[in-house]
Amino acid sequence: DAGITQSPRHKVTETGTPVTLRCHQTENHRYMYWYRQDPGHGLRLIHYSYGVKDTDKGEVSDGYSVSRSKTEDFLLTLESATSSQTSVYFCAIREQEYNEQFFGPGTRLTVL
Amino acid sequence: DAKTTQPPSMDCAEGRAANLPCNHSTISGNEYVYWYRQIHSQGPQYIIHGLKNNETNEMASLIITEDRKSSTLILPHATLRDTAVYYCIVRSPSYDKVIFGPGTSLSVIP
Repeated sequence: DAGITQSPRHKVTETGTPVTLRCHQTENHRYMYWYRQDPGHGLRLIHYSYGVKDTDKGEVSDGYSVSRSKTEDFLLTLESATSSQTSVYFCAIREQEYNEQFFGPGTRLTVL
Repeated sequence: DAKTTQPPSMDCAEGRAANLPCNHSTISGNEYVYWYRQIHSQGPQYIIHGLKNNETNEMASLIITEDRKSSTLILPHATLRDTAVYYCIVRSPSYDKVIFGPGTSLSVIP
């Protein structure tokens, strides 16, 4: 398995609080991605990174920000969590342009 | 990236071959076809990818039509553990975003 970990694995928080999810890789891969998955919507891309300090928006980026200050860590922040952000969040990594993605185990976030 | 179309669900008898179709009629010359699957509540798992030649690995075979407008993922002897959602993605290597569609939910039936 690719060396990807996500933390926390489960989190319950209240509406309006800030939340940061962490994706950590030991593979030194260039690309990192954050997806959310909800019933009836499949996997939707939130943000992605193509290098340190290089990030871009995905399909559903409103309400989310990201940072990548070093190769191994990609942080997803919900500045003020809302109930609509209750979801399972997956991180993925990819080495180079032709390569496949490897996914982390997911973080289940519940916003009350 | 080209758009893909997959049937929302399929059944397959255990031990039989599962043939999962994907239509990508707007695929361009430098776009690859990738297949992933997601077993309930786990992160998606890479299966196979190809450009225009048929490909085979220990998990599956990928058959791409000569005009590249469609492809079929073949699981030669489906088991109950192959029950999952299967995603077909078409992507150019130069395009950084990776977008997933709704996929096909495969149920392998005893």
